[in-house]
Amino acid sequence: NAGVTQTPKFQVLKTGQSMTLQCAQDMNHNSMYWYRQDPGMGLRLIYYSASEGTTDKGEVPNGYNVSRLNKREFSLRLESAAPSQTSVYFCASHDRGGSPLHFGNGTRLTVT
Amino acid sequence: GENVEQHPSTLSVQEGDSAVIKCTYSDSASNYFPWYKQELGKRPQLIIDIRSNVGEKKDQRIAVTLNKTAKHFSLHITETQPEDSAVYFCAASSGGGADGLTFGKGTHLIIQP
Repeated sequence: NAGVTQTPKFQVLKTGQSMTLQCAQDMNHNSMYWYRQDPGMGLRLIYYSASEGTTDKGEVPNGYNVSRLNKREFSLRLESAAPSQTSVYFCASHDRGGSPLHFGNGTRLTVT
Repeated sequence: GENVEQHPSTLSVQEGDSAVIKCTYSDSASNYFPWYKQELGKRPQLIIDIRSNVGEKKDQRIAVTLNKTAKHFSLHITETQPEDSAVYFCAASSGGGADGLTFGKGTHLIIQP
């Protein structure tokens, strides 16, 4: 039982490049989330998917897109990376609102 | 939307002493309040949570208290140990929806030997 798996663990991009962060969970959870973590800012919600087939914007969605590929997988895409997107990205999931979030191990992204 | 304030941003205590971290929230509809511990370079992990129908919850050396009227909740760690050194995050959720958790900005807890 792997829980929430994120790939890659580390990535360095140049400004303007694109990439997709992958996330998969094996807990049969309905809801999945992408957060970014910056020093002194806590965890801020980028996008979420309440259930398969739906996605919604969170607090800081600009510059990102998401796809809920199926119940297990939720990807985050940066179409044209900017230095302001340098951050640690966490994927998380849970069964329903009001239940504990389970986090992946994170992706450390640096944009130069 | 929900806004969660957390204090202090850094807390240094002597090993064996108690530590208290406080959070306030803005949305009176919030009814689920978890606390996460994050060690350096690791993912956040749930350490304790409380729901709005309960005023206090304990698990060994950690406890959480909730005051719904004042809209604040606190984490209490007693008999602190070196392994308690980490960043702690509080969070709040309305629970009814699936729009995730709103997190505080974190408290860096330092346990001095």
